[in-house]
Amino acid sequence: GAGVSQSPSNKVTEKGKDVELRCDPISGHTALYWYRQSLGQGLEFLIYFQGNSAPDKSGLPSDRFSAERTGGSVSTLTIQRTQQEDSAVYLCASSLSYGNTEAFFGQGTRLTVV
Amino acid sequence: DQQVKQNSPSLSVQEGRISILNCDYTNSMFDYFLWYKKYPAEGPTFLISISSIKDKNEDGRFTVFLNKSAKHLSLHIVPSQPGDSAVYFCAASANTGRRALTFGSGTRLQVQP
Repeated sequence: GAGVSQSPSNKVTEKGKDVELRCDPISGHTALYWYRQSLGQGLEFLIYFQGNSAPDKSGLPSDRFSAERTGGSVSTLTIQRTQQEDSAVYLCASSLSYGNTEAFFGQGTRLTVV
Repeated sequence: DQQVKQNSPSLSVQEGRISILNCDYTNSMFDYFLWYKKYPAEGPTFLISISSIKDKNEDGRFTVFLNKSAKHLSLHIVPSQPGDSAVYFCAASANTGRRALTFGSGTRLQVQP
């Protein structure tokens, strides 16, 4: 596609439910990143993929968070047993390769846990 | 541990004047630096970057300066325009170890007409 696409754009869920966020990177981009931005905060790194493998998962806030990427393309970020502090905008980005190159962001998924 | 710091949460300038946004970093392994602009309800948009082998990169109204000894970079916008009003994020990456971008907390720029 022309840009990074994320779905849904907005998600309201009840505390304790599981949610899945989807990211479609730019075609041909091998690196994919997940960040989140809580209200009034900067961008917090969660995880990145090089191809289908995730060399760095250190940013995931807890074991309720997981992510996978299949076919070197689409990625899903899953949050189990959501908590109110999970409410944030979840941003996905992709880049041609990993390392020193600019990343292109999607519009984000705004997650609200009530 | 904040490895990339933007100490000014906000900045207001008059249209036509220069905007200077500052960023400091602590990780000496960082060797590539970027600036992103973010409008409300949109993802960040890449603006300009600089490699650590340079000390200046210019693209139209936007210039990024890098001072490696001070671990400091700045973004200059001149002349500033009302459409430049947005949140600006500084980001850095290293060619070894974690290669994902590490972001600062952002500076909200308001350009007054």
